[in-house]
Amino acid sequence: EDQVTQSPEALRLQEGESSSLNCSYTVSGLRGLFWYRQDPGKGPEFLFTLYSAGEEKEKERLKATLTKKESFLHITAPKPEDSATYLCAVLGTGYALNFGKGTSLLVTP
Amino acid sequence: NAGVTQTPKFHILKTGQSMTLQCAQDMNHGYMSWYRQDPGMGLRLIYYSAAAGTTDKEVPNGYNVSRLNTEDFPLRLVSAAPSQTSVYLCASSPAYPPGTLEAFFGQGTRLTVV
Repeated sequence: EDQVTQSPEALRLQEGESSSLNCSYTVSGLRGLFWYRQDPGKGPEFLFTLYSAGEEKEKERLKATLTKKESFLHITAPKPEDSATYLCAVLGTGYALNFGKGTSLLVTP
Repeated sequence: NAGVTQTPKFHILKTGQSMTLQCAQDMNHGYMSWYRQDPGMGLRLIYYSAAAGTTDKEVPNGYNVSRLNTEDFPLRLVSAAPSQTSVYLCASSPAYPPGTLEAFFGQGTRLTVV
C-alpha cells in the first residue's frame, strides 16, 4: 500500500529564514509526486509535479526535489505570505492521489 | 475560467438525512474525484470517475455517486452519520494519462452531521 509521510507536522520560521519540508514515500510504480499549497478554508492549489529521481522544479521562493525515497520542498527567504499548509501526494499504479497529512508553515515578520 | 465549483460551501445535516454535494468543472477534464479532509488525517479518497458515464471503483458505504456528463460529479450522502462530518473536496484533472497531471481542486464543502 502506498504511504506518504510528511515532516515536520508544523514549522515556524522567521521571515528570511530558509528551510526544507520533507515528504517520504513508499509506492509501487511511482507515476508522479505532487506538491500542493492549501490556505485555510480553501482547496489545495497545485505547485509542482515531479516524475523521476533527480528532477527539480522551482517557482519563486520554492524549489522541489525528488529522490527514490523522498522529496524536499525548499523554501528560500520565506515571506509571511508563504504561510500555509503544504501537502505532498503520490500517484502510483492506481487512479488517485495518496496524500500525506501536510506540514503547517507559519512565517512571522 | 471558473475551474472547479463546489456547492454548498457549508451545511449542517441531521443524522439520517440525505443530501447531495455538487461539483462542476468547466475545463473538459475527464477525470474527477472526491476526497474528504479531516484534522490530522490528510485527504482521503472517497471515489473517482475516469470519464463521463463510467464508475470505476466500489463506492464506500453511505455514499452514492453519478457521472452522467463530463462537467458534473455530484456526491450523495445517503442517511448521513456523524462520522461523515468532514470537509469534502472535489478535484478534476485531464483524463490521459489518468490522474498523472495536476489535479484542480474546488474550495470544498464543510459538512457537519449532528
